[in-house]
Amino acid sequence: SAVISQKPSRDICQRGTSLTIQCQVDSQVTMMFWYRQQPGQSLTLIATANQGSEATYESGFVIDKFPISRPNLTFSTLTVSNMSPEDSSIYLCSVEDPEGDLNIQYFGAGTRLSVL
Amino acid sequence: RKEVEQDPGPFNVPEGATVAFNCTYSNSASQSFFWYRQDCRKEPKLLMSVYSSGNEDGRFTAQLNRASQYISLLIRDSKLSDSATYLCVVPPMDSSYKLIFGSGTRLLVRP
Repeated sequence: SAVISQKPSRDICQRGTSLTIQCQVDSQVTMMFWYRQQPGQSLTLIATANQGSEATYESGFVIDKFPISRPNLTFSTLTVSNMSPEDSSIYLCSVEDPEGDLNIQYFGAGTRLSVL
Repeated sequence: RKEVEQDPGPFNVPEGATVAFNCTYSNSASQSFFWYRQDCRKEPKLLMSVYSSGNEDGRFTAQLNRASQYISLLIRDSKLSDSATYLCVVPPMDSSYKLIFGSGTRLLVRP
């Protein structure tokens, strides 16, 4: 398994500002993922972040709005830029199973974001 | 048809009851399936994997019906602590390593 530290756990932000969310893993992993979960909804994948390459974004998500960094195999950040109230959501990072099962992911505790 | 569909519930059952809910999937070639559990205001955590016809772990049984393209999760002797949202997950058939999450089924176990 993997232990993931995600912070901040929650934040309240003004519209037009940006927030950077950090995700730290206790082991080296190739794949890190960023999800958004609206209240009462399931998880929507924002992007996949590999170390040493550009993140791969899903349909409906763009780098200018959600820039991602992946400087090494244990760390990643997601920035929510120029926020609007529609960005209010829970943001989760996850990693692939360090023991190699690509179909299993471990999640951080999430960042609960409210935009006023 | 959505790739993964679940009855959102909520399923409201008394402690000790047996409850089951299904998840249908659209890709007939899918080979593996997963149930994740998400407690209120918490992150999803892997509950069970299903690689063949089914899997059993204590009070939890996951069954796969390939002909009808659904997997089920059966919980026996429900506990209050089983109250959570159960997410059905199906890996895609391409090599992207993305997981496709169902919308989740909410279970409430009452005293």
